[in-house]
Amino acid sequence: DAGITQSPRHKVTETGTPVTLRCHQTENHRYMYWYRQDPGHGLRLIHYSYGVKDTDKGEVSDGYSVSRSKTEDFLLTLESATSSQTSVYFCAISEGPGTGPSGGTEAFFGQGTRLTVV
Amino acid sequence: RKEVEQDPGPFNVPEGATVAFNCTYSNSASQSFFWYRQDCRKEPKLLMSVYSSGNEDGRFTAQLNRASQYISLLIRDSKLSDSATYLCVVLYNTDKLIFGTGTRLQVFP
Repeated sequence: DAGITQSPRHKVTETGTPVTLRCHQTENHRYMYWYRQDPGHGLRLIHYSYGVKDTDKGEVSDGYSVSRSKTEDFLLTLESATSSQTSVYFCAISEGPGTGPSGGTEAFFGQGTRLTVV
Repeated sequence: RKEVEQDPGPFNVPEGATVAFNCTYSNSASQSFFWYRQDCRKEPKLLMSVYSSGNEDGRFTAQLNRASQYISLLIRDSKLSDSATYLCVVLYNTDKLIFGTGTRLQVFP
């Protein structure tokens, strides 16, 4: 399995508090992604990074910020958690596009973080 | 309109059946395509990439139709262990991986 770990695995927090989720990789992959997964919506991209200090927004970025100060770590922060941010959060890593026979390479996922905002 | 659309299912099929899933995507500039499998309460894992010429991996066949902007996955001789959610994934703008909502498959004895 790819070396990717998420922490914490489970968290319950109160509305209005800040929360930071961590994704750590040991594969030296360039790309890192944060997704949330909700029933009926599937996996939706929050933010992604294509290098140290290089990040961009996904389709559901409002209320979230990210930072990548090292290749191996990608942090997702909820500045002020809301109940609508209750979800399962997945981190993924990838070597990047254009590096495989199909024009893109496999994305490996962490085991997910189950976040509940009460 | 969602960028990647799939029929959510569920598809309930008996063992040994052949089942096909389709996925459509909206951006004609999409570059790469994949099928992922996700078991209940687990992370998604790559099932197979989808090549322009189509590709096969054992009982699984993936096809890409760029003109009609759809991708398909065919599973032959279904096994109980194939029960899972199958996610269609499209690579946009060289670096955004966009997922469909997934199609749930349940194979029964």
